[in-house]
Amino acid sequence: GAVVSQHPSWVICKSGTSVKIECRSLDFQATTMFWYRQFPKQSLMLMATSNEGSKATYEQGVEKDKFLINHASLTLSTLTVTSAHPEDSSFYICQVGGGAETQYFGPGTRLLVL
Amino acid sequence: GNSVTQMEGPVTLSEEAFLTINCTYTATGYPSLFWYVQYPGEGLQLLLKATKADDKGSNKGFEATYRKETTSFHLEKGSVQVSDSAVYFCALSRGTQGGSEKLVFGKGTKLTVNP
Repeated sequence: GAVVSQHPSWVICKSGTSVKIECRSLDFQATTMFWYRQFPKQSLMLMATSNEGSKATYEQGVEKDKFLINHASLTLSTLTVTSAHPEDSSFYICQVGGGAETQYFGPGTRLLVL
Repeated sequence: GNSVTQMEGPVTLSEEAFLTINCTYTATGYPSLFWYVQYPGEGLQLLLKATKADDKGSNKGFEATYRKETTSFHLEKGSVQVSDSAVYFCALSRGTQGGSEKLVFGKGTKLTVNP
């Protein structure tokens, strides 16, 4: 069965609205989760590291005020795309480390901003 | 910086054909190398990995050898099956944090195997 779930699996929203994406670790606790973004025919690009109980760390070029990350518990991290615009349309994937060299990925969330 | 370049797809093969998906990398130091597979509607799954030069990773009939001299980690399978149809990602590790591994991915190669 799935080890990491994401919700929703796809979402369509109007420009200017905010969208929240959840990533849940189903089988174990995770102090660190990663969020990636994938544009069509492009690589998965690491956006940020979600840290339980502390602030997320963002990769260079990723706006922290636009992509809000909250890691409120050891099994849940949320990514909120604030004031979404069409250029934010993408596939968002979370990654959870299950221990030494064991990594699990969510099935992804496809976001379309109209 | 770190980067991964892999063969552009899509790749379409007949069942029992030989598969090669090329992957080369640029990195500081000697990163661990991975192949991940994504089946339709599912999350990425680790297919195989190699942690040092000349290591060969293998799983489900797939193999890849860590070649330091050519900075490559090509994926091969001698006889593909319809069930191998998926998207394959080559990746390298930037290090670990809190048990989670920071990865740099290639663009992915979509493989379709026809019966």
